[in-house]
Amino acid sequence: ETGVTQTPRHLVMGMTNKKSLKCEQHLGHNAMYWYKQSAKKPLELMFVYSLEERVENNSVPSRFSPECPNSSHLFLHLHTLQPEDSALYLCASSRWGDSSGNTIYFGEGSWLTVV
Amino acid sequence: DAKTTQPNSMESNEEEPVHLPCNHSTISGTDYIHWYRQLPSQGPEYVIHGLTSNVNNRMASLAIAEDRKSSTLILHRATLRDAAVYYCILRDVRSSGGSNYKLTFGKGTLLTVNP
Repeated sequence: ETGVTQTPRHLVMGMTNKKSLKCEQHLGHNAMYWYKQSAKKPLELMFVYSLEERVENNSVPSRFSPECPNSSHLFLHLHTLQPEDSALYLCASSRWGDSSGNTIYFGEGSWLTVV
Repeated sequence: DAKTTQPNSMESNEEEPVHLPCNHSTISGTDYIHWYRQLPSQGPEYVIHGLTSNVNNRMASLAIAEDRKSSTLILHRATLRDAAVYYCILRDVRSSGGSNYKLTFGKGTLLTVNP
């Protein structure tokens, strides 16, 4: 139990569907992240939110739409995805602006399969 | 970001110590050395981090070379639960542009622990 909870753990969706991934953190952090991990590839940073403002969009296609309504919740809205978007999507959180090399805590991930 | 180099895989026996090496010859003076690990079907988890001095915690020890161009993660007694991919990551904690939040993952070292 890392304090970062992701739902659903597994999702299968068609290319024309609209779905959302949800992340909730119980650590009192003020920064949240979405990472993508495809098979046999390193983790890739997708989005970063600090104090509910998006501070990074790492050239992610618009079919992925993040939302951060408050510092404890982060969503990733998905629509018209492609099969190559099938991957493990990881949410993470941390304290923003800590210059001592602060730790990032990850959830267990949501396995997404696009058919 | 400064780059790290790790062996693709290593093997150990249960109850024996494991030394996981990492080379980072282009490390800058403001880079912290972080280690994370990712167990099968889970998100990454923080292991340890350090700047110049050796560090110990309940999970592992981090030995940093005097010139900081390499480091070694030490698991004192490997267990089957330690089988994972271990990532050595440099984080520049200067606050310029807020870039200190980034964790850039490489391929890591796959550690196999034999019973």
